[in-house]
Amino acid sequence: DAKTTQPTSMDCAEGRAANLPCNHSTISGNEYVYWYRQIHSQGPQYIIHGLKNNETNEMASLIITEDRKSSTLILPHATLRDTAVYYCIVRGTSGSRLTFGEGTQLTVNP
Amino acid sequence: AAGVIQSPRHLIKEKRETATLKCYPIPRHDTVYWYQQGPGQDPQFLISFYEKMQSDKGSIPDRFSAQQFSDYHSELNMSSLELGDSALYFCASSAARQADVYFGPGTRLTVT
Repeated sequence: DAKTTQPTSMDCAEGRAANLPCNHSTISGNEYVYWYRQIHSQGPQYIIHGLKNNETNEMASLIITEDRKSSTLILPHATLRDTAVYYCIVRGTSGSRLTFGEGTQLTVNP
Repeated sequence: AAGVIQSPRHLIKEKRETATLKCYPIPRHDTVYWYQQGPGQDPQFLISFYEKMQSDKGSIPDRFSAQQFSDYHSELNMSSLELGDSALYFCASSAARQADVYFGPGTRLTVT
């Protein structure tokens, strides 16, 4: 699976949009981009995934560049409960492992 | 909605003892994954099962073994425990042909 690069940490004001970037320049055509988050010592929580089109669900939006070499996770109105480590993961076929790298510690400030 | 269930949630063992962790996947999920997360570390993939067969193997020590049963629940058996095995152990499940993978709350294993 392709390697991803994320900033180590980011801050965001409560109520503002949080935009978390991820680089995955070696992604191949059949690999998906997944986002998970982990609130301290809890199980990782699935957020969203996509292949090449932008995706939106009740939690977040995922914007994937046309060349698929990078993506951005958008939390439209961050709350204090969104403080967590966010992992961007590139994954091949369904059923294959999720490989966690060094995610982004997002801190939402009041 | 039903989630992945792990038991026990906390476990304390002494060195050289054995431990068994259990995972009950979301109903109708046929794939189970096990992860280990040491203090301050990111989750590391150990092993996965699809339809009761091992489907992938990661950095799982030889002292550990796992299996998936006919009801799709899975057990991670850990023998000759070492202090370094102290960690959070997460189980996750997914359904074949569906991309989403859901994690359980984890079992915190402490080896003293």
